[in-house]
Amino acid sequence: DTGVSQNPRHKITKRGQNVTFRCDPISEHNRLYWYRQTLGQGPEFLTYFQNEAQLEKSRLLSDRFSAERPKGSFSTLEIQRTEQGDSAMYLCASSARLAGASYNEQFFGPGTRLTVL
Amino acid sequence: GDSVTQMEGPVTLSEEAFLTINCTYTATGYPSLFWYVQYPGEGLQLLLKATKADDKGSNKGFEATYRKETTSFHLEKGSVQVSDSAVYFCALSEWGSEKLVFGKGTKLTVNP
Repeated sequence: DTGVSQNPRHKITKRGQNVTFRCDPISEHNRLYWYRQTLGQGPEFLTYFQNEAQLEKSRLLSDRFSAERPKGSFSTLEIQRTEQGDSAMYLCASSARLAGASYNEQFFGPGTRLTVL
Repeated sequence: GDSVTQMEGPVTLSEEAFLTINCTYTATGYPSLFWYVQYPGEGLQLLLKATKADDKGSNKGFEATYRKETTSFHLEKGSVQVSDSAVYFCALSEWGSEKLVFGKGTKLTVNP
C-alpha cells in the first residue's frame, strides 16, 4: 500500500479554465475528504464522502466546485471557471472508521498545487 | 464555530533545545485534539492525538496534554533534532464529526 496519491501534483491554468484533480485513497478506506490550504494557513475542510455518498459540504465549496466518488474508490474534484482566488494546495485524505472508535485517523496525500494566472 | 489558535511562527531553535508550541481551541462539544506534522515536500502526518480531557498524547519524543480547563493542547519536546524541522499543525475534531479544523501552522527550523 502506497498511501493516498493525488494527481497531478502541480497544475497551472489560466483564469476561466476548468481543472480536475484526482485522488486515490488507501485501499479499503471508505471515507474520503478534500481540504484546501492557502499560503500561510492551515487546511480548510471542503467536503467528505462515505463510500460513494457525499455527506457533507463546506460553505467554502461554491457552485463552481464539484466533487465525485462514483464507485466509492477514487475521487475527482473539478473547479469550473477558475479564479485567481482558487490558487491553493488541494489536499485529499482518507480514513477507515474503526468500530467503537471516538475518532478516525485521516491519512493525507501530498496535495495538488493549483496556480491560476 | 470551532476554531484552533496556535502560536505564530517561524520558530528557530538550536539542536537539543526545548520546544513548546502553544495551541488553544474553541469548541462547542468535546473534541478530539491532534498535532499533525508536515515535513518538506511531504503530506500531513498525524504526530499525536488525545481524545479526552487529561489524556497525554506522545510520539517520537513529542508530548501534548489535553487541558480542558484551559482549552489547550500545547506541543512539547525536550530536545529537538535537525530532523524535526517541519510545519506543525494543531487540529480538532468534534465528537461525531468527520472534519478536522486546523490552526494556521507553526514552522519550526532546527539548526545544528
